[in-house]
Amino acid sequence: AQSVSQHNHHVILSEAASLELGCNYSYGGTVNLFWYVQYPGQHLQLLLKYFSGDPLVKGIKGFEAEFIKSKFSFNLRKPSVQWSDTAEYFCAVNARMDSSYKLIFGSGTRLLVRP
Amino acid sequence: GAVVSQHPSWVICKSGTSVKIECRSLDFQATTMFWYRQFPKQSLMLMATSNEGSKATYEQGVEKDKFLINHASLTLSTLTVTSAHPEDSSFYICSARGGGLGYEQYFGPGTRLTVT
Repeated sequence: AQSVSQHNHHVILSEAASLELGCNYSYGGTVNLFWYVQYPGQHLQLLLKYFSGDPLVKGIKGFEAEFIKSKFSFNLRKPSVQWSDTAEYFCAVNARMDSSYKLIFGSGTRLLVRP
Repeated sequence: GAVVSQHPSWVICKSGTSVKIECRSLDFQATTMFWYRQFPKQSLMLMATSNEGSKATYEQGVEKDKFLINHASLTLSTLTVTSAHPEDSSFYICSARGGGLGYEQYFGPGTRLTVT
């Protein structure tokens, strides 16, 4: 069955540290990949997405992610985090299931950035 | 652009009553809308997919008669939790796709349901 794995459930960093959040998926077909962020008390916002083309995609707020097809991975990175990046991050895959496309979410990674 | 709203943002109801949650696409026509449920500190779980004018498709384990979904227009879908019980307390999130926006889904702010 299609699934998305986020191996880091909780990450604690100091400001200015570099961030990398892992995301692996299991799906054999063409995928669309997304990272969403959910700030405390707010709704899901799209950080970035990959549909095709350059596997290194840049998103909002200095985030980027790299699609590595051979590893079924789509890791999220940011070179220098800020306190305001404290949030929960969800990786998602848009996969074809039962003749329609559905978003499958990972379990999420809760990031805490200490000032 | 691509804004999705939900109403209400928070609702408290008594056990046994029904609650309706609205999801609207404000600036595009949503051919498909999705309803998710999010438990505290957990990920989003897809409950059902609805296409405008068609019956909703429910995910395995989701009770169709309990969670009634209507997608009567291209800008509105409703989720009615019937005969609510405390275990139905959760965060319900809708998303919408369509209007030439491709496969991307746009999420509403969510509705927190508390059943007492």
